Amino acid sequence: DVKVTQSSRYLVKRTGEKVFLECVQDMDHENMFWYRQDPGLGLRLIYFSYDVKMKEKGDIPEGYSVSREKKERFSLILESASTNQTSMYLCASSLRSGVWYFGPGTRLTVL
Amino acid sequence: AQTVTQSQPEMSVQEAETVTLSCTYDTSESNYYLFWYKQPPSRQMILVIRQEAYKQQNATENRFSVNFQKAAKSFSLKISDSQLGDTAMYFCAFMKPEVGDDMRFGAGTRLTVKP
Repeated sequence: DVKVTQSSRYLVKRTGEKVFLECVQDMDHENMFWYRQDPGLGLRLIYFSYDVKMKEKGDIPEGYSVSREKKERFSLILESASTNQTSMYLCASSLRSGVWYFGPGTRLTVL
Repeated sequence: AQTVTQSQPEMSVQEAETVTLSCTYDTSESNYYLFWYKQPPSRQMILVIRQEAYKQQNATENRFSVNFQKAAKSFSLKISDSQLGDTAMYFCAFMKPEVGDDMRFGAGTRLTVKP
């Protein structure tokens, strides 16, 4: 059974803090993705990676960075959290042209 | 860039009835995939149905079927015999089958099935 796990279901941070969101998949998928989900806007792509140490910007990369040191782990980093980064963050993984699998999401609140 | 539009932010349907969710998309590609995903209150995204653009036959999965109109760039989801467990957010999504390509999502439709 494919599993994509995210480090936290809920997270509360303060403005200016450095925030790490972790995503781990256990099926040797090449591709991994970070989206943020906001009401009325659907899912918007922040960053994606199609191989270890590779990363590509999505539509809204500003204020975020990512790290993929190992194939199974894709981290999203908020260098200095701001209130407009309060959102739901979804991680996904896939094989090339294959089925996508999503994590359960992390609801981040920045105070 | 590809865009996906879901024009119905919210819909409701009585249990056991049929409902259709609309989706349109914009692309210049000829080969692509279209998806409907369901996100229940648990937040876990669940694949409902997938359609390859080169296939003319509409995809069907039990009570879920699509009406794929390639020329019109329309991809609607029909849910028959609606059940309370169908209450969820539904997202339409588009993807090109290329290395590292991402999935584009619509804004979502919140469906409520009423008893």
